[in-house]
Amino acid sequence: EPEVTQTPSHQVTQMGQEVILRCVPISNHLYFYWYRQILGQKVEFLVSFYNNEISEKSEIFDDQFSVERPDGSNFTLKIRSTKLEDSAMYFCASRDSLSSGNTIYFGEGSWLTVV
Amino acid sequence: QKEVEQNSGPLSVPEGAIASLNCTYSDRGSQSFFWYRQYSGKSPELIMSIYSNGDKEDGRFTAQLNKASQYVSLLIRDSQPSDSATYLCAVPLGYTGGFKTIFGAGTRLFVKA
Repeated sequence: EPEVTQTPSHQVTQMGQEVILRCVPISNHLYFYWYRQILGQKVEFLVSFYNNEISEKSEIFDDQFSVERPDGSNFTLKIRSTKLEDSAMYFCASRDSLSSGNTIYFGEGSWLTVV
Repeated sequence: QKEVEQNSGPLSVPEGAIASLNCTYSDRGSQSFFWYRQYSGKSPELIMSIYSNGDKEDGRFTAQLNKASQYVSLLIRDSQPSDSATYLCAVPLGYTGGFKTIFGAGTRLFVKA
């Protein structure tokens, strides 16, 4: 069964460093998402991406964050100058615009620890 | 601010009982509704979707939708200890729902053997 894959599964970084989280969405999907879940808290929407551009972003997704789909398969989330409060699980998700309605499918997540 | 509200629980039921999980949403334009299950430290896993008012059954799971009341629920029959998890209600916003799906905080379910 096709799945969304994410790397790395866990990354520890020092405060102020840049981090890139990588995702390979399901191959025929057209909508791509990043979500964040701080330990013990809810799954929070960060950004959606469609047709090679950001379609919507939350107030969390400020200038510190950026997304890119550099090669038609990978979808990346870059966090510049990480802060302690960026420590969270980051989920990539994707959606097929056709048969599955608005169902989004999640990757296994990348756990980011900022120290 | 569009919201999805869930009782955080924990909800504790004995094995074999029916677990009832509830969710309300604020966006009247939303057309589809999803329940995800999330085990601790894992990603959300889709259980069911529902688009029309009424009930939709899939195995031991039944989703119920009432758009007039902006209410969606999930019933789990014959609950098993393996059903112990956090259940997330998810609502794509707006009529197309393409660009932003928001999640409730989740209800923690414990099924006691």
